[in-house]
Amino acid sequence: DAKTTQPNSMESNEEEPVHLPCNHSTISGTDYIHWYRQLPSQGPEYVIHGLTSNVNNRMASLAIAEDRKSSTLILHRATLRDAAVYYCILRGYNTDKLIFGTGTRLQVFP
Amino acid sequence: DSGVTQTPKHLITATGQRVTLRCSPRSGDLSVYWYQQSLDQGLQFLIQYYNGEERAKGNILERFSAQQFPDLHSELNLSSLELGDSALYFCASSVGDRGSYGYTFGSGTRLTVV
Repeated sequence: DAKTTQPNSMESNEEEPVHLPCNHSTISGTDYIHWYRQLPSQGPEYVIHGLTSNVNNRMASLAIAEDRKSSTLILHRATLRDAAVYYCILRGYNTDKLIFGTGTRLQVFP
Repeated sequence: DSGVTQTPKHLITATGQRVTLRCSPRSGDLSVYWYQQSLDQGLQFLIQYYNGEERAKGNILERFSAQQFPDLHSELNLSSLELGDSALYFCASSVGDRGSYGYTFGSGTRLTVV
């Protein structure tokens, strides 16, 4: 499985945008970029995923670099509820499982 | 409610015992995945089933086994329990087994072995 690199932690203030980076320089052409988050004492929660084009949904936006070697998860207006560990994961088209790394712990301050 | 149901939510048992964790996937999902999360290990993939058949194995101990039934619910059996098996066990489901699909996780079963 291709590896991703994320900062261990990031901080944000409430109602500000947050850009969570992820590097995946060994990504292959069939790897999907998945983002999940895990709030304290809860199961991981799907956020967004994409292949080549930028993606938007009600939770976040995913910006994928043109060479696909990096991506950024964008939370447009952080809330206290967004404080969580965010995982960036590559999942090949024919890969059955998600392999979680250590993720980025996001702190949001009032 | 994510649509993935895990029971029980909490389980306390003694070393050497056997327990069964149950997972009902989201309606329409054919794949079920089991993960273990302990404080010092992060989320570890254990095993995957797709439409009743074992599809992938991860770091699952020989003392652990799982199955997926015709109604697509899954059970994870943990036997000869040790203190180190204390962890959160998550089940996730997905409509398919390809990378283009996202997962939906349950809220987990917290197992404490004393």
